[in-house]
Amino acid sequence: AAGVIQSPRHLIKEKRETATLKCYPIPRHDTVYWYQQGPGQDPQFLISFYEKMQSDKGSIPDRFSAQQFSDYHSELNMSSLELGDSALYFCASSLGTSGKYNEQFFGPGTRLTVL
Amino acid sequence: AQKVTQAQTEISVVEKEDVTLDCVYETRDTTYYLFWYKQPPSGELVFLIRRNSFDEQNEISGRYSWNFQKSTSSFNFTITASQVVDSAVYFCALNRDDKIIFGKGTRLHILP
Repeated sequence: AAGVIQSPRHLIKEKRETATLKCYPIPRHDTVYWYQQGPGQDPQFLISFYEKMQSDKGSIPDRFSAQQFSDYHSELNMSSLELGDSALYFCASSLGTSGKYNEQFFGPGTRLTVL
Repeated sequence: AQKVTQAQTEISVVEKEDVTLDCVYETRDTTYYLFWYKQPPSGELVFLIRRNSFDEQNEISGRYSWNFQKSTSSFNFTITASQVVDSAVYFCALNRDDKIIFGKGTRLHILP
């Protein structure tokens, strides 16, 4: 069965550079979630989109922005990168949302290293 | 507010021993979901189980078993006859609306 695809899987950037992470949800899934997991930490919710509209926002820095496109894939854009942005970034997708839980499927994650 | 507490930050056991990972949760919701995920050194999140708050039946899947007790707000996970491949970080989690709230995780070392 098709799973959530994230690209790239690994990314190395310098401080103050920008990075774009991509997420391709499971076919027919219309909701995408982004989570950030710092070293030795638990995953933390960043932002979610339902039907191309932002549906919820967590502790996402103003330097980060994201969107969901017409084909439901999503991109997380990160500017003015800081050392503390080094983390695993997970994308998850689900079918439908109305503020209640729908089964989420996680991608393999993108490991971002900021030097 | 929703919260998940995994009091055990790190556990080491010898292979073939049984080990239980504790999870205590807090929620104001009457309907909620609880989860366990495994995160091996490679980093991916491996889904193990999802349990609805209305289903308190314990579950067994091979060497894995889960004990859900609403009376104590606990959802503990037991690995029977542990193996080296079970070494990983295990996260207990709870939903808050449509998002997943993770505990801090328990790092499990299975020693050969």
